[in-house]
Amino acid sequence: KAGVTQTPRYLIKTRGQQVTLSCSPISGHRSVSWYQQTPGQGLQFLFEYFSETQRNKGNFPGRFSGRQFSNSRSEMNVSTLELGDSALYLCASSLAPPGQGDSPLHFGNGTRLTVT
Amino acid sequence: GQQLNQSPQSMFIQEGEDVSMNCTSSSIFNTWLWYKQDPGEGPVLLIALYKAGELTSNGRLTAQFGITRKDSFLNISASIPSDVGIYFCAGQLRGSARQLTFGSGTQLTVLP
Repeated sequence: KAGVTQTPRYLIKTRGQQVTLSCSPISGHRSVSWYQQTPGQGLQFLFEYFSETQRNKGNFPGRFSGRQFSNSRSEMNVSTLELGDSALYLCASSLAPPGQGDSPLHFGNGTRLTVT
Repeated sequence: GQQLNQSPQSMFIQEGEDVSMNCTSSSIFNTWLWYKQDPGEGPVLLIALYKAGELTSNGRLTAQFGITRKDSFLNISASIPSDVGIYFCAGQLRGSARQLTFGSGTQLTVLP
């Protein structure tokens, strides 16, 4: 069974640009979450999607957005990039809907975004 | 907001030794999870704990969910070189979302 797949693995962007990251969850998983990982702040929750609806959002500015498609694949977008957005962006999927059942998150290998 | 204090930050041990790391929180969590992250990869789930007092093993790994629901520990027995990596604890509140709060990680180095 394939794991969580994230593309691309690496991205280099310039300040002010925007970027879109993609995530394909484990087959059968319908809940997708996004996390940002930086050396200074560690792993921080961005948002969670289920059934194409955002169920929860972390404490990030509105420049960070996401969406989920009917096949459970998800994308996140960061607009007007800042140097501080440089990070590893991790996608995770889960079998059960939010709030239902004990279903841990399984992470992909992330997209390494560098903003210059 | 919720915060997890994970200790130690780093450990250097000899191959074959046992390792212990723990996480404490000022808040109660309903679920505790332990992940391991290797360089260039995402966190991999090691153990999930769902009940206060629960003790769960996965091979050489053993983790416990504290009775107060504010802490958890992870033990690794008879360490081997492939145990090298960063270990994260994560707490989760059951409810309408599956948001995880992560500890800052324990960097484990196993010396031959």
